[in-house]
Amino acid sequence: TQLLEQSPQFLSIQEGENLTVYCNSSSVFSSLQWYRQEPGEGPVLLVTVVTGGEVKKLKRLTFQFGDARKDSSLHITAAQPGDTGLYLCAGASGYALNFGKGTSLLVTP
Amino acid sequence: EAGVAQSPRYKIIEKRQSVAFWCNPISGHATLYWYQQILGQGPKLLIQFQNNGVVDDSQLPKDRFSAERLKGVDSTLKIQPAKLEDSAVYLCASSLVSMNTEAFFGQGTRLTVV
Repeated sequence: TQLLEQSPQFLSIQEGENLTVYCNSSSVFSSLQWYRQEPGEGPVLLVTVVTGGEVKKLKRLTFQFGDARKDSSLHITAAQPGDTGLYLCAGASGYALNFGKGTSLLVTP
Repeated sequence: EAGVAQSPRYKIIEKRQSVAFWCNPISGHATLYWYQQILGQGPKLLIQFQNNGVVDDSQLPKDRFSAERLKGVDSTLKIQPAKLEDSAVYLCASSLVSMNTEAFFGQGTRLTVV
């Protein structure tokens, strides 16, 4: 089982601030996915990155896949209270899809 | 399109009792996953099916957990006997194929073992 380390574990910021969440592993992945989970719900996919060095933007969210396909980052610009949730990275390798422990983000008005 | 359906939503049992969870994936999805999510942590993969065959069950505690996916559609996950540390949310997910494609999750079953 490939281990994915996410940091920080918790993040509490005010509306309008920027933040970056990291996902690191010693393993190489064929792709890396980012999910967001709200209380009482299952995770929902935000983005999939496949190519080393790839950068994807989704409105105020910017995702980057490391050149070696072992790590990824999620940057949120001008965070809003609606961004509050648990952000999970998941690495795909072979048949398995394994998740990190997540970053719990709280954005206060 | 209907999503992944799971039942029950909540279950409370005493330790040493048995419990079963049911999952109906999105129609046509070949891959089905069962995850265990302890409060405040990320989902931990328990077992993964490709159609009705098991492709990964390395993290399934096989002395007490079992799962099956008959006919490659619905799946059940069973715990017998339950322990206090099994208290968690059990998430079912499905995807079209297993590589690089989105996994769609159900709402999960919250299990409390007392």
